Amino acid sequence: DSGVTQTPKHLITATGQRVTLRCSPRSGDLSVYWYQQSLDQGLQFLIQYYNGEERAKGNILERFSAQQFPDLHSELNLSSLELGDSALYFCASSVGASENYEQYFGPGTRLTVT
Amino acid sequence: GENVEQHPSTLSVQEGDSAVIKCTYSDSASNYFPWYKQELGKRPQLIIDIRSNVGEKKDQRIAVTLNKTAKHFSLHITETQPEDSAVYFCAVSGGYQKVTFGTGTKLQVIP
Repeated sequence: DSGVTQTPKHLITATGQRVTLRCSPRSGDLSVYWYQQSLDQGLQFLIQYYNGEERAKGNILERFSAQQFPDLHSELNLSSLELGDSALYFCASSVGASENYEQYFGPGTRLTVT
Repeated sequence: GENVEQHPSTLSVQEGDSAVIKCTYSDSASNYFPWYKQELGKRPQLIIDIRSNVGEKKDQRIAVTLNKTAKHFSLHITETQPEDSAVYFCAVSGGYQKVTFGTGTKLQVIP
């Protein structure tokens, strides 16, 4: 157990809908990263937050947004969902702002868009 | 942006043999190179990492080597065991692109 929690574990929704994925980092970690992992694909970095502020952006679509709250938990919002958005979404946390710290991954949320 | 290539995409070895996975990257400013292991249906977990001021790092049966001039780094697993079977991802960070993962290598250790 990495200490990072994600909810829900599974999510099934229809095209055009909007969903929110939630992540709680390890105690003491200030950075939260979001990744997308499609079937048989690698990990695509989406976005990083550090202590409530957006720190870095990766390949995140405009239909996706995220935020980190004062208690450091983070939410990833996915809207106007398409079939291609079906994937495993991981969040990870680390202690520092730099990406050069070990990242601890949560168990992931499996999103299925039908 | 950063371009990370990982080879091979699949690798089968006999138990007890060694396995080597290689990654190349493009951004010479990159300075942190972790390796993650992901078992089926589970989260990625860091197994070893190396920074740009070090050429080699070892942790029991696992080692990583870095060649900054050639912009490649490799994961070496010796005396492989069935529990080493998983997908291994390299990652690169510190340069222009914040963090980029390789496409993964599916390692199968045959008992």
